[in-house]
Amino acid sequence: DVKVTQSSRYLVKRTGEKVFLECVQDMDHENMFWYRQDPGLGLRLIYFSYDVKMKEKGDIPEGYSVSREKKERFSLILESASTNQTSMYLCASSFTPWEAYGYTFGSGTRLTVV
Amino acid sequence: DAKTTQPPSMDCAEGRAANLPCNHSTISGNEYVYWYRQIHSQGPQYIIHGLKNNETNEMASLIITEDRKSSTLILPHATLRDTAVYYCIVRGSNTGNQFYFGTGTSLTVIP
Repeated sequence: DVKVTQSSRYLVKRTGEKVFLECVQDMDHENMFWYRQDPGLGLRLIYFSYDVKMKEKGDIPEGYSVSREKKERFSLILESASTNQTSMYLCASSFTPWEAYGYTFGSGTRLTVV
Repeated sequence: DAKTTQPPSMDCAEGRAANLPCNHSTISGNEYVYWYRQIHSQGPQYIIHGLKNNETNEMASLIITEDRKSSTLILPHATLRDTAVYYCIVRGSNTGNQFYFGTGTSLTVIP
């Protein structure tokens, strides 16, 4: 069963900490995405990547960075966590960036920054 | 900038058809409309997509108006397991041509 795996289901971090959210996919997909999900705001795209070592900003990249050193792994980094980054984070991968019918999502990481 | 508008919530009786509307008045002529759903504590999952003709698969039907400014997802016989948030998705021109998920419709199927 193909899947996207997010390393943690729940995380609690302190303000100012550097936080790494890890995502691994086993489908050999070129494209990977990080979204955050907040009540009333839906899913908002943070960053995406079309290939290894490649990254593009989404709608809300401020306060975040990403790393894609291997095809199967896409990491989201909060350089200095703040309380307004408390959210559900969803990782996804797809085999094509041109169509949206092939997105596979992970189950999400609920991050709380205190 | 292609965006979508969906009602925030809807109820549907079990066994009845659930009709979920979506407005996407700025969609480009050659862009598809996609629907995903998100069951609680899971990531979104693909349901169906279409361009201008009506589409049907084992999960749902998709009706797209002739002017393509709106569409309706139809779950013909809703079950309790269809309780989820449903997202109508189009390409957004301000996000590197990636897809805009929006806020979705929270569907509750009532026994």
